[in-house]
Amino acid sequence: NAGVTQTPKFQVLKTGQSMTLQCAQDMNHEYMSWYRQDPGMGLRLIHYSVGAGITDQGEVPNGYNVSRSTTEDFPLRLLSAAPSQTSVYFCASRHTYAAFHGETQYFGPGTRLLVL
Amino acid sequence: GESVGLHLPTLSVQEGDNSIINCAYSNSASDYFIWYKQESGKGPQFIIDIRSNMDKRQGQRVTVLLNKTVKHLSLQIAATQPGDSAVYFCAEKVLGNEKLTFGTGTRLTIIP
Repeated sequence: NAGVTQTPKFQVLKTGQSMTLQCAQDMNHEYMSWYRQDPGMGLRLIHYSVGAGITDQGEVPNGYNVSRSTTEDFPLRLLSAAPSQTSVYFCASRHTYAAFHGETQYFGPGTRLLVL
Repeated sequence: GESVGLHLPTLSVQEGDNSIINCAYSNSASDYFIWYKQESGKGPQFIIDIRSNMDKRQGQRVTVLLNKTVKHLSLQIAATQPGDSAVYFCAEKVLGNEKLTFGTGTRLTIIP
């Protein structure tokens, strides 16, 4: 198993540009999520999905869109990048039952995004 | 422990010594807690978890202690090794709720 994979590893954007951060998992996890991590702060939830076709907002959803057309993939889209979106982005996945039984999430290696 | 702003709390420990990392959690309704380890350039990695019906849980070289009265969580690492150098995060949630709330993290440095 590759686990949770993310591409690209690093990206530089200009203000106003759009891009999609890719996330894939091969563990057949129903639940997938996106977090951002800023210096000196814990991870904050952007969007999550409990299964194909179902997405919902997290703590900091503004400026980001997601879709979940397959169980494996959960891309994060920035429609018009802003300097405030400079951050490290992590994708994570787990089984849905873990919400009730306490199984941890598995995190990808992260995408470092710099918006100029 | 917890921190606001841009600077992580730091803890330096001599190799072979024990370390204790503290975390104050925010939600008295939280009933599930996790410690994560994040090495430089990598995603968070699960270390150990504990439910609110327990006060202590032990793993391999790690122990988590939970004090619900003061909403405090600690991670003890025994006989620290250079590979233990990382940022450690606590996280809390209410089982059944999707939201997992992370603390700001503590940077642990092992001195050879």
